[in-house]
Amino acid sequence: QKEVEQDPGPLSVPEGAIVSLNCTYSNSAFQYFMWYRQYSRKGPELLMYTYSSGNKEDGRFTAQVDKSSKYISLFIRDSQPSDSATYLCAKYPMKTSYDKVIFGPGTSLSVIP
Amino acid sequence: DTEVTQTPKHLVMGMTNKKSLKCEQHMGHRAMYWYKQKAKKPPELMFVYSYEKLSINESVPSRFSPECPNSSLLNLHLHALQPEDSALYLCASSLGTLRVGELFFGEGSRLTVL
Repeated sequence: QKEVEQDPGPLSVPEGAIVSLNCTYSNSAFQYFMWYRQYSRKGPELLMYTYSSGNKEDGRFTAQVDKSSKYISLFIRDSQPSDSATYLCAKYPMKTSYDKVIFGPGTSLSVIP
Repeated sequence: DTEVTQTPKHLVMGMTNKKSLKCEQHMGHRAMYWYKQKAKKPPELMFVYSYEKLSINESVPSRFSPECPNSSLLNLHLHALQPEDSALYLCASSLGTLRVGELFFGEGSRLTVL
């Protein structure tokens, strides 16, 4: 079983829709969780960074962690065409471990005007 | 604009060439990374320099050779590459012992090996 799994999509939604992107993970010891956004032919950029279970909100983006279910979600409200990108969830252990950031395969999102 | 700068943005090389990719950051970060990303795949870690000490992913072939001249600069030397090495090479940095997962990526160097 891969450590981080997510549906690769592609996911296509109309502008203004609420988008739900999901990841599941294994090996739950002391995890930090991240969401990265990657536009075509660009490097990933960090969107959200969280440790605790529950919700973390930043503008139109909400990250949700359910440690009991080992489930990570990213919600995008009022989606815009500029949100069209690949979204990568990632995790790493709490202890300092530079080589342990593990990325999911990414979900491709298209927001149609 | 990203604060991690990579050059060149595009590189085409033959299998007998020697070339280098360069990366620079001025955020005071003490950890720098090279990742390789193939199309529609997540980034794969190749090398980490933390406080100028190298950690290697054992699966990376020796035709890739990293160099960290100082805490702001990171190079990746390429020699005798294979066509399957064609990919997007991403440099990233992080603060250091805190928030390791908070990676700042450059825009990448797109490498084509003929």
